[in-house]
Amino acid sequence: DAGVTQSPTHLIKTRGQQVTLRCSPKSGHDTVSWYQQALGQGPQFIFQYYEEEERQRGNFPDRFSGHQFPNYSSELNVNALLLGDSALYLCASSLTAVETQYFGPGTRLLVL
Amino acid sequence: KNQVEQSPQSLIILEGKNCTLQCNYTVSPFSNLRWYKQDTGRGPVSLTIMTFSENTKSNGRYTATLDADTKQSSLHITASQLSDSASYICVVSAGGFQKLVFGTGTRLLVSP
Repeated sequence: DAGVTQSPTHLIKTRGQQVTLRCSPKSGHDTVSWYQQALGQGPQFIFQYYEEEERQRGNFPDRFSGHQFPNYSSELNVNALLLGDSALYLCASSLTAVETQYFGPGTRLLVL
Repeated sequence: KNQVEQSPQSLIILEGKNCTLQCNYTVSPFSNLRWYKQDTGRGPVSLTIMTFSENTKSNGRYTATLDADTKQSSLHITASQLSDSASYICVVSAGGFQKLVFGTGTRLLVSP
């Protein structure tokens, strides 16, 4: 039974570029949440997807967008990258919104 | 404003010793409180989850306590091991749709 997987593991981009991060939830989970974790900080909630719709959103600009597919996998897209977008991006999945979230290993994004 | 504060910010202990990490929260409405362990550069891993009616929960050498009246939680680690070196994050769920509020974590270093 695979846990939460994310790809790629590491990524280097330059300012102004666009990036897409991918997440496959734990088997049987239908809810996916995305978090941004800056170095030395706790994760900050970006948004949550359920039934292919964005259910709720944190305080992130519209440059951050996402998508959930029928197989429950999800993508996080960030447009017009800024240096401050450099962080570890975590995906977490759960069975419905009220169960424990299981985190993936994260994608480390570096924006130069 | 929903906040989770953890103390100490960092801690160094000798292998085999016990330690206690603290978490204070001002999250309302309160749904549950979780402690996660996060190794450097990896995703958080759930240690315990407690609801309003639970005041203690154990997971091996980890014991979490919750005082919902004072809005405080602690994580006690017994007979520490080198592998316990990690960041420990307190996360409080604020109501429905699993709106999570993360603390900034306590960085624990277990020294031989």
